[in-house]
Amino acid sequence: DTAVSQTPKYLVTQMGNDKSIKCEQNLGHDTMYWYKQDSKKFLKIMFSYNNKELIINETVPNRFSPKSPDKAHLNLHINSLELGDSAVYFCASSQGSGRANEQFFGPGTRLTVL
Amino acid sequence: GENVEQHPSTLSVQEGDSAVIKCTYSDSASNYFPWYKQELGKRPQLIIDIRSNVGEKKDQRIAVTLNKTAKHFSLHITETQPEDSAVYFCAASNRNYGQNFVFGPGTRLSVLP
Repeated sequence: DTAVSQTPKYLVTQMGNDKSIKCEQNLGHDTMYWYKQDSKKFLKIMFSYNNKELIINETVPNRFSPKSPDKAHLNLHINSLELGDSAVYFCASSQGSGRANEQFFGPGTRLTVL
Repeated sequence: GENVEQHPSTLSVQEGDSAVIKCTYSDSASNYFPWYKQELGKRPQLIIDIRSNVGEKKDQRIAVTLNKTAKHFSLHITETQPEDSAVYFCAASNRNYGQNFVFGPGTRLSVLP
């Protein structure tokens, strides 16, 4: 019954590794997002996809690559992980791209890079 | 681009008192202003939102006011309860930014019993 789900919930890994986080929404929304929340709780958008197409790509390192196989899924792949990548990553979704609407957030993935 | 500031960063109130959190935004094209509540270890969840064609909106103990001329909006919580303790985020959105949200830095509200 979960609206927006993410896996895994926790991810602990070594520097230099490559990892992926998966996100799925069953709300029928056509726009999905990735946010990074750092240790100071600041929420910053990383990527936004509408109907599987990238519509915003903030200044994040190109080690981060989003992939949207279909409208219901938006995955985040991270190459060559660095200590500064440690954060909570939230996926979100909303309906419509022409008008801002409520964004529904997933439970978050806590990434710890050692 | 849009820049959203939020004050105060922390706020402690006695149970039953009111709490007010203020946000300012920089882009006059912003037209949608949601407020999210994030409890410890949980996801952010929408508690109230307002669009630029409205000056005030209320939902039970929660209200939001918007002043487009001054480019600021505020969250008002009355009769606070301990379960209101959380981090609150304001955000602004406009079409120039793909209708994406720019969040404020958050306010940690503690309601003391």
